[in-house]
Order: sequence, then structure tokens, then C-alpha cells
Amino acid sequence: AQSVTQLDSQVPVFEEAPVELRCNYSSSVSVYLFWYVQYPNQGLQLLLKYLSGSTLVKGINGFEAEFNKSQTSFHLRKPSVHISDTAEYFCAVSKNTNAGKSTFGDGTTLTVKP
Amino acid sequence: EAQVTQNPRYLITVTGKKLTVTCSQNMNHEYMSWYRQDPGLGLRQIYYSMNVEVTDKGDVPEGYKVSRKEKRNFPLILESPSPNQTSLYFCASSLKGTHEQYFGPGTRLTVT
Repeated sequence: AQSVTQLDSQVPVFEEAPVELRCNYSSSVSVYLFWYVQYPNQGLQLLLKYLSGSTLVKGINGFEAEFNKSQTSFHLRKPSVHISDTAEYFCAVSKNTNAGKSTFGDGTTLTVKP
Repeated sequence: EAQVTQNPRYLITVTGKKLTVTCSQNMNHEYMSWYRQDPGLGLRQIYYSMNVEVTDKGDVPEGYKVSRKEKRNFPLILESPSPNQTSLYFCASSLKGTHEQYFGPGTRLTVT
């Protein structure tokens, strides 16, 4: 079975500060990893994904994440956040042998304060 | 415009009254999924489909049914809804190989 743990349920930061949202996963096989963002009263949209190759993945809106196989982590980072980054962020995993089945973390609410 | 549509967007119903939430995508995606979102629990996958007539259970399939008779449509059926199925439901689709899921706008269901 696969599982995802987002280590922080809420992360408050000031505008222009750096931020890291932490995600650990467990799986007995190789996985694909994703970060999605959900703005208030909207659906989810993909920020970035890791399928294979380079472990540093760059996404939209200046976000990046690093896949660390030995620590089974996929932490999301942004060097300088904006008020508009306030949203809920979800880490997700699927096995590369069954990409239809996805498991999401419980979400991290990022609140950017002026 | 490439999109996933869901109908209805809001629904209030009573316990035991069968209902269907429709989902349609216009991107020719092979994969489709249904999720429910509850506060503090993230998204939990209900069912998924990897192609026409191929469906499988996700993590919380009890009380739900799905069918995939056409590639573009993936309806979610609640044969006998109960109050614990009150939730926000999302449909998603993805292209085999890219695995990027495109989400619909959500359906807020209340069962009284």
C-alpha cells in the first residue's frame, strides 16, 4: 500500500519569505510524485510532478521540489512567497505500475501574511 | 477549451434517494477518477478508470458505483445516499503517460 504524510497542516509565513512544505511517502515500489494547489473555492491544479530523471523538479509560479529516494521525501519550496500563494497544497503519489490509483496527503494550508 | 465538467455543482438530497453526479472531459484522456474531499482528510480516491469498461476501487469505494461506457464520461452513482456521504466531490482525468490530473470544479453534496 502507498501512503503520503504532509508534516505540517498549517504554515504561516510573511510575504517575500522562503517557504518549505514537507511531504513524506511510503511505497514498496517506484512511484510518481505530485504537488497540487487548491485556491479557495476552486478545484486542484498541478504545480509540478516527478516521474523520473532529475530529482530537482521546477513547476509553475516559482515553486520547485526535490525527490529524495533515500529519505522518501518530496518537499516543496519557494524562495520568496507572495500573498497570492495563499492556498491549500496537496502532495500525491501513485505507483508507476498502477498510475490510475492515487493517494493524496491531508493537505497543508499556506497562509502568506503582509 | 480543454476541461473537466461536473454536474450538478451543488446538490441537497435526502437519505436513500438515488442520485448521479456526471463527469465529462473533452481531452480524450484514458484515466478518470472520483475523489471526495473532507476537512482535514485531504482527497480520498473513490474509484478510478484506466479506460472504457475498466474500473477499479480506490480507497473509499463503499456506497458508490461508477461506470465507464464512453471514454469522455465517468458518472458517480450513489444508490442509497447517507449523511456520511455529505462531502465535496471532484472528478479528474489524465492522459496515460503524463499522469497529470485535470480536476473538475467540484460538486458539493449534502445528504440530510
